[in-house]
Amino acid sequence: AQKVTQAQTEISVVEKEDVTLDCVYETRDTTYYLFWYKQPPSGELVFLIRRNSFDEQNEISGRYSWNFQKSTSSFNFTITASQVVDSAVYFCALSETGNTPLVFGKGTRLSVIA
Amino acid sequence: GAVVSQHPSRVICKSGTSVKIECRSLDFQATTMFWYRQFPKQSLMLMATSNEGSKATYEQGVEKDKFLINHASLTLSTLTVTSAHPEDSSFYICSARAASYNSPLHFGNGTRLTVT
Repeated sequence: AQKVTQAQTEISVVEKEDVTLDCVYETRDTTYYLFWYKQPPSGELVFLIRRNSFDEQNEISGRYSWNFQKSTSSFNFTITASQVVDSAVYFCALSETGNTPLVFGKGTRLSVIA
Repeated sequence: GAVVSQHPSRVICKSGTSVKIECRSLDFQATTMFWYRQFPKQSLMLMATSNEGSKATYEQGVEKDKFLINHASLTLSTLTVTSAHPEDSSFYICSARAASYNSPLHFGNGTRLTVT
């Protein structure tokens, strides 16, 4: 069975601080995809990244970066120089390849204080 | 890019009435759509998988007679909450995937249902 664990329920940081959101996953599949989504108070899911299990390269996109480590089954997300607009709930998710649905973690609520 | 349109975004209904939520893929054919439910401050939980032209597959604990899913075309899936009760108040989100293998999953903007 697939499982995604986001141990941090809530995180609060002061603007301009760096923050890392943890994600640990479980799957028996050798091929799978990992995702991060942002959910602002308005509710929609904003896609941030999709990474397949064969690509362990870290990725950077502006202030966002992701660290994928298969050895520890982790896919952590770091926001550098956080801003108030980063305040949201962030979900890590996992899916097998093909037409399977995403399994979501419980989410981490990030509050960035000015 | 691909867009999934979900309607309505908000709905308030009285207890005992039924509510229909539509999920449309606007620029691609979605053979598979997924319906999720999210209670306040909780995660998204898969309710059912909807395949075009066939019956939906429901997750354990989801009442198929209460949450009717119809996927009659390649661009439209509907979720009808029948005889809604206050405990059905939740945020419902659909997602759709095109037919090609490993195509990305696109989410609608969600429907916030409040049953009074």
